[in-house]
Amino acid sequence: NAGVMQNPRHLVRRRGQEARLRCSPMKGHSHVYWYRQLPEEGLKFMVYLQKENIIDESGMPKERFSAEFPKEGPSILRIQQVVRGDSAAYFCASSLPTGAPANYGYTFGSGTRLTVV
Amino acid sequence: RKEVEQDPGPFNVPEGATVAFNCTYSNSASQSFFWYRQDCRKEPKLLMSVYSSGNEDGRFTAQLNRASQYISLLIRDSKLSDSATYLCVVKGGTGGFKTIFGAGTRLFVKA
Repeated sequence: NAGVMQNPRHLVRRRGQEARLRCSPMKGHSHVYWYRQLPEEGLKFMVYLQKENIIDESGMPKERFSAEFPKEGPSILRIQQVVRGDSAAYFCASSLPTGAPANYGYTFGSGTRLTVV
Repeated sequence: RKEVEQDPGPFNVPEGATVAFNCTYSNSASQSFFWYRQDCRKEPKLLMSVYSSGNEDGRFTAQLNRASQYISLLIRDSKLSDSATYLCVVKGGTGGFKTIFGAGTRLFVKA
């Protein structure tokens, strides 16, 4: 039973390129969350998605960032025209639907470390 | 005011010591509380949920004080392997699903 799978583990992009980060949730999990962690800082919530639906994107920057979770396939976090400040670790977590017990925590993937040069 | 606040530390303690971390949260309607552990350059992993009645898991004890809106984690008989960053996590409240992570408290256990 594979956990949350993220790829790539490491991604290097030049300024102005696009970055695509993928996340496959745990089997049976239908909710996906993306977090960003800057060096020496805590995790910052970005977006919460269900299949084909964005539930909460209050943490997403207004420009260049988008996320989707299609009916088939992994969730994608897309960053267009990357800048150096986008360099960070991006973690994805998945959970059971909201009907699950409130004290059910998240399972995180290993993260994608984006470096913009 | 941050939604979840923690002392960043670092806490430097010798092996065998007892160490306690506190965390405060601002949303009184928050529903669920957790401690996560994050090792350097790794993903956070759930350490334990926190219940109002307090709960213990081996050397780790977690407490929740809803009236004062703080959560604590006590580690007894510290091991070298306990060295990590401990994240206080608060979930839900007033119809929201969002989970908020504290910035973490760094612990170094020395031989």
